[in-house]
Amino acid sequence: NAGVTQTPKFQVLKTGQSMTLQCAQDMNHEYMSWYRQDPGMGLRLIHYSVGAGITDQGEVPNGYNVSRSTTEDFPLRLLSAAPSQTSVYFCASSYSKGSGNTIYFGEGSWLTVV
Amino acid sequence: GENVEQHPSTLSVQEGDSAVIKCTYSDSASNYFPWYKQELGKGPQLIIDIRSNVGEKKDQRIAVTLNKTAKHFSLHITETQPEDSAVYFCAAPDSSYKLIFGSGTRLLVRP
Repeated sequence: NAGVTQTPKFQVLKTGQSMTLQCAQDMNHEYMSWYRQDPGMGLRLIHYSVGAGITDQGEVPNGYNVSRSTTEDFPLRLLSAAPSQTSVYFCASSYSKGSGNTIYFGEGSWLTVV
Repeated sequence: GENVEQHPSTLSVQEGDSAVIKCTYSDSASNYFPWYKQELGKGPQLIIDIRSNVGEKKDQRIAVTLNKTAKHFSLHITETQPEDSAVYFCAAPDSSYKLIFGSGTRLLVRP
């Protein structure tokens, strides 16, 4: 049982490039989400999904796309990378969206945009 | 929407002392308050949570207290050890049950 797996761990992009951060969970969780972590800002929700085929925006969705074709996978796409997207990205999952469900986080993906 | 404020941003204590981290929230309908610990280079991990129908919950050296009237909750760590050094996040749900996180507290336990 691997939990939440993110790849890559580290990535350097040039401004304007696109890329996809991969996320997979093996706990059969319905709810998956992406957060970004910046110094002094805590964890901010980018996008989330309550099940396969359903996605919605969080607090800071601009510049990112997501899709949820299967229960297990929830990739995050950066359409045209900007230096402001330099951050640590965490994928997370929980049994459902409801209050009280433990959120399990991946190990993080460190992204630098130059 | 929900707003969660966390203080202090950094906290340094001597090994064996207690540490207290405080959070306030804005949505009086919030009913679930988790605390997450993030070790260096890792993702956050749930360490304790409390629901609105209780005022305090303990798990060995850690405890969380909740004051619904004042809309604040706190994490208490007693007999701190070097392995408690980490970043701690509080959180509260917004009206659509998405967790809103505080800005984090970096705790350093000095040996």
